[in-house]
Amino acid sequence: AQSVTQLGSHVSVSEGALVLLRCNYSSSVPPYLFWYVQYPNQGLQLLLKYTTGATLVKGINGFEAEFKKSETSFHLTKPSAHMSDAAEYFCAVSSITGTASKLTFGTGTRLQVTL
Amino acid sequence: NAGVMQNPRHLVRRRGQEARLRCSPMKGHSHVYWYRQLPEEGLKFMVYLQKENIIDESGMPKERFSAEFPKEGPSILRIQQVVRGDSAAYFCASSPGQGYNSPLHFGNGTRLTVT
Repeated sequence: AQSVTQLGSHVSVSEGALVLLRCNYSSSVPPYLFWYVQYPNQGLQLLLKYTTGATLVKGINGFEAEFKKSETSFHLTKPSAHMSDAAEYFCAVSSITGTASKLTFGTGTRLQVTL
Repeated sequence: NAGVMQNPRHLVRRRGQEARLRCSPMKGHSHVYWYRQLPEEGLKFMVYLQKENIIDESGMPKERFSAEFPKEGPSILRIQQVVRGDSAAYFCASSPGQGYNSPLHFGNGTRLTVT
């Protein structure tokens, strides 16, 4: 069984500050890891994904995440927050075995960006 | 290139009525997934379908819920005799395959309200 834990249901940062959204996963097999963003009343949009290879992955809108197997973490970062980054962010996991596109999601972190 | 289309965007049903949610996948995508998002929660997998086949329905409630993806036309998620607890956002996602190089593309969801 797989699971995802996102620490902090709400995170608030100032515009221009570092964004750090935490994600820890549990998986008995090598995981595929994803970050999605959801704007109000919209569907989820893929920010980035880790499958194999380089553990630091870069995504859209200046976001990146690092897969740390020893810490079972996949935290999302962005050096400088922009007002347009305000949204809800979901971390998700799937696995090499079974259906790779079947995702288990965390409960989400709502990012607020203030002036 | 149209994305995943879901309709209706909003659906209001009284307790005991039936709800039908439609999803047209992206062009060229033959894999469809349905997820449910309850308030303040992440998305929960419900069912995975390919054309005319249910591949994985491990997340579907045992009663009142059914899904299909016919050879022609959209995928349908059907909820019979709706109850207040069915109120949620229902998201459809599609992919061209099921491997990790086939990320999910989400629609904007159908928000079901049961009164």
